[in-house]
Amino acid sequence: EVQLVVSGGGAVQPGGSLRLSCAASGIKVSDYWMHWVRQVPGKGLVWVSRLNSERSTIQYADSVKGRFTISRDDAKNTVYLEMNSLRVEDTAVYYCTCNRFSSGWGFDYWGQGTLVTVSS
Amino acid sequence: QSALTQPASVSGSPGQSITISCTGTSSDVGSYNLLSWYQQYPGKAPKLLIYEVTKRPSGVSNRFSGSKSDNTASLTISGLQTEDEADYYCCSYAPSTVIWGFGGGTKVTVL
Repeated sequence: EVQLVVSGGGAVQPGGSLRLSCAASGIKVSDYWMHWVRQVPGKGLVWVSRLNSERSTIQYADSVKGRFTISRDDAKNTVYLEMNSLRVEDTAVYYCTCNRFSSGWGFDYWGQGTLVTVSS
Repeated sequence: QSALTQPASVSGSPGQSITISCTGTSSDVGSYNLLSWYQQYPGKAPKLLIYEVTKRPSGVSNRFSGSKSDNTASLTISGLQTEDEADYYCCSYAPSTVIWGFGGGTKVTVL
């Protein structure tokens, strides 16, 4: 059974930092493109960032570029999202998800999400 | 602003069929068959229903089907059931920009 377990969310003040973790079991994160997607409570899904399987390219949404960093630790089979200079508008549930070419780039598996609240 | 446009809500009676549209542009939906659909219950993570416009992952009911015409993709739910009451999102991947974009979501209500 595939599981993506997301952790690291919480409350932080504007300008602060958080690091989210996505620990995978049942798959190797190095075989997939790993993504972070966020959702403001009651609103829609928004793609945030992705790291390809070769770790050769990284992409970010314009809204987080320069502030968020995605990375991967193959030994721990875990993906991270380092979030700096957090803003009130970054408040959301953050999901870890993954896809690959053989599944037509659909997001096959999802973590349970972790709530990040940025507030003074 | 979402990259793709979906109706905010769609409703139907049990047993009926409903269709949710997802409109993009000639640069994403219109150019690639990399369109997927997701079902999300409140407080839960999304679940993949359809990928590559028409394909269903194993375990997904064949009551869910996808199609596309020009810049608009559609998800049809046939034989509507109460358990289908959820939010549905489309998502398009454009290799030219290497960006994924979601629709704003459609709330399906079973009357």
